[in-house]
Amino acid sequence: GDSVTQMEGPVTLSEEAFLTINCTYTATGYPSLFWYVQYPGEGLQLLLKATKADDKGSNKGFEATYRKETTSFHLEKGSVQVSDSAVYFCALLTGANSKLTFGKGITLSVRP
Amino acid sequence: EPEVTQTPSHQVTQMGQEVILRCVPISNHLYFYWYRQILGQKVEFLVSFYNNEISEKSEIFDDQFSVERPDGSNFTLKIRSTKLEDSAMYFCASSDNLGRNEKLFFGSGTQLSVL
Repeated sequence: GDSVTQMEGPVTLSEEAFLTINCTYTATGYPSLFWYVQYPGEGLQLLLKATKADDKGSNKGFEATYRKETTSFHLEKGSVQVSDSAVYFCALLTGANSKLTFGKGITLSVRP
Repeated sequence: EPEVTQTPSHQVTQMGQEVILRCVPISNHLYFYWYRQILGQKVEFLVSFYNNEISEKSEIFDDQFSVERPDGSNFTLKIRSTKLEDSAMYFCASSDNLGRNEKLFFGSGTQLSVL
């Protein structure tokens, strides 16, 4: 079945540090890939997405590239801010299936 | 931006009791979902709902679970007889389309604790 694997957390960085959060997936067919973010006290929000191989999703300085050859969708940001502290979830959606498959999520804490 | 609202934010109940988790999806959305996350584990799909009926459900969604859209605005998840292992964060979500361009809007969740 479909699955998403995220790197183990939590991750703690200093402000302006470079961020990489790894995500790999297993899926039948050609999934769409997503990163969701949950800020403290809020719901899951779509951060970015990519719907086909080699697409790059980007938003708020975050980027992730859909790599079919390595079945990966790693999240990166060049310079994190304290306000980026949140839980980040990688997810996939296959075909017409309306069911998202999520990873475990990883907590990012950014120190001033 | 419009948002999905969930109430209560925290619910504590005794094992064997019934609980109802409430959600108000975004008003023009047609597709509704419940997901849950047990502490330290993945966010898991429970059920999807469209046109007043369940369109898909997971193995977790057994006979103890039910969903309802009792009026034009609310979408509820009922657990008839709660078990300790039902303790989790429950997320409601809604969407106005399906497939590759689908964008789900999630609520902030209800933390259910079964004692």
